Amino acid sequence: GNSVTQMEGPVTLSEEAFLTINCTYTATGYPSLFWYVQYPGEGLQLLLKATKADDKGSNKGFEATYRKETTSFHLEKGSVQVSDSAVYFCALFLTSGTYKYIFGTGTRLKVLA
Amino acid sequence: DAGVIQSPRHEVTEMGQEVTLRCKPISGHNSLFWYRQTMMRGLELLIYFNNNVPIDDSGMPEDRFSAKMPNASFSTLKIQPSEPRDSAVYFCASRDREGNTEAFFGQGTRLTVV
Repeated sequence: GNSVTQMEGPVTLSEEAFLTINCTYTATGYPSLFWYVQYPGEGLQLLLKATKADDKGSNKGFEATYRKETTSFHLEKGSVQVSDSAVYFCALFLTSGTYKYIFGTGTRLKVLA
Repeated sequence: DAGVIQSPRHEVTEMGQEVTLRCKPISGHNSLFWYRQTMMRGLELLIYFNNNVPIDDSGMPEDRFSAKMPNASFSTLKIQPSEPRDSAVYFCASRDREGNTEAFFGQGTRLTVV
C-alpha cells in the first residue's frame, strides 16, 4: 500500500546546528511529495514540495530532494534557529487513483538557544 | 484570501451531545479533506470530497461520524453522540482544481468531550 515513514522524534538541536529529518515513502505511480510544518496551536503549513523525481523543493533555508531511486525525501537545513522548533510532517499526494494525501507521523524538532 | 476557515476553534461538550464542526474552504478549491489529529494516532484522514461529492469516507471511524458538503463553500463534520475518545484536533483542508497539488489547512478545531 501507500505509506510514508519518517524518523521518530523528538529531535533536539542547538541553534545553528545542521538538521536532517529522514522521510521515505511507498507509493504506486508518481506521487507529489511535501513537507508541512506545524507550530504549536496552529494548523499545518506547507513548507516545500517536489512534484517529480530529482526536483528540489526549498523554502526558508530548508531543502528536500525527491529521490525516486531511494524513495526518499529527506528534509535538511544548514543552520537551525530557535524559531524552527515545530513538528514537521512528510506527506505524499497520489496524482492518480485516490487523489488523497498520506502523512507521516510527524517529527518534533526542538532547537535550543 | 482568508484561507481555510474553521469554526469553532475550541469546543467542549459533554459525552452524548451532538457536535458540529464547520469548514469554509478557500474559494475556487474543489477538493476538501477532514483530518483528525491525536497524540496516539497522529494525523488521520477521515473523509474527502471532490466537487462536493464524498469520494473516500473509509477513514470515518464509525456511524457516529457524518460529513456533508452541501455546496462548494461549506462543509460540516458531525459527531452524534460524542464520546470522550473523540477528543482531538480536527482539521479541514482544501485544494484547488488546477495543477497545484498542495493542500491548505485551517487552524483546526480542538474538541474536548468530557
